[in-house]
Amino acid sequence: NAGVTQTPKFQVLKTGQSMTLQCAQDMNHEYMSWYRQDPGMGLRLIHYSVGAGITDQGEVPNGYNVSRSTTEDFPLRLLSAAPSQTSVYFCASSMAGTAYEQYFGPGTRLTVT
Amino acid sequence: RKEVEQDPGPFNVPEGATVAFNCTYSNSASQSFFWYRQDCRKEPKLLMSVYSSGNEDGRFTAQLNRASQYISLLIRDSKLSDSATYLCVVNGDSNYQLIWGAGTKLIIKP
Repeated sequence: NAGVTQTPKFQVLKTGQSMTLQCAQDMNHEYMSWYRQDPGMGLRLIHYSVGAGITDQGEVPNGYNVSRSTTEDFPLRLLSAAPSQTSVYFCASSMAGTAYEQYFGPGTRLTVT
Repeated sequence: RKEVEQDPGPFNVPEGATVAFNCTYSNSASQSFFWYRQDCRKEPKLLMSVYSSGNEDGRFTAQLNRASQYISLLIRDSKLSDSATYLCVVNGDSNYQLIWGAGTKLIIKP
């Protein structure tokens, strides 16, 4: 099992560019989520999904879109990158919701100039 | 007030010592509590869940105090490999959102 994989590991964007962060899991988990981690702050939930075809907003959804067409994949799209989106992004999955262990991908370090 | 508060540290502790962290949370309706560990520039990993009666896993003990709304983590006989940031995590208003503390950094010195 690869667990949760994320690509790319590092990315530099210019303001206004768009891109998609990829996330995939091979554990047949129903629940998947995207977080951002900034210095001095806890992880903040961007979007989450409780199954294929179902997504919902988290605490900081503005500027991001998600889709969940399959159980395995949960890509995060930055619509028009801004310097405030410079952060480390983590994708996580769990069996079914937040009462269960969250398995994280290795993260994507994004810099927006 | 932050929903989950932790002392950021760093806690500098000699190897073999016992160290304890506390974490306070604001949502009295929270039902799920966890400690995660995050090594430098790595992803968080579950250390242990926290149960109402308290629970122990080897050198690690977690306690929950619902009345005062805090959870604690005790590490006994600390090892160099325990150096990491420890994240306190509590479920939010729904079963699909977790609230994360900013973490407490622990440095174990030889």
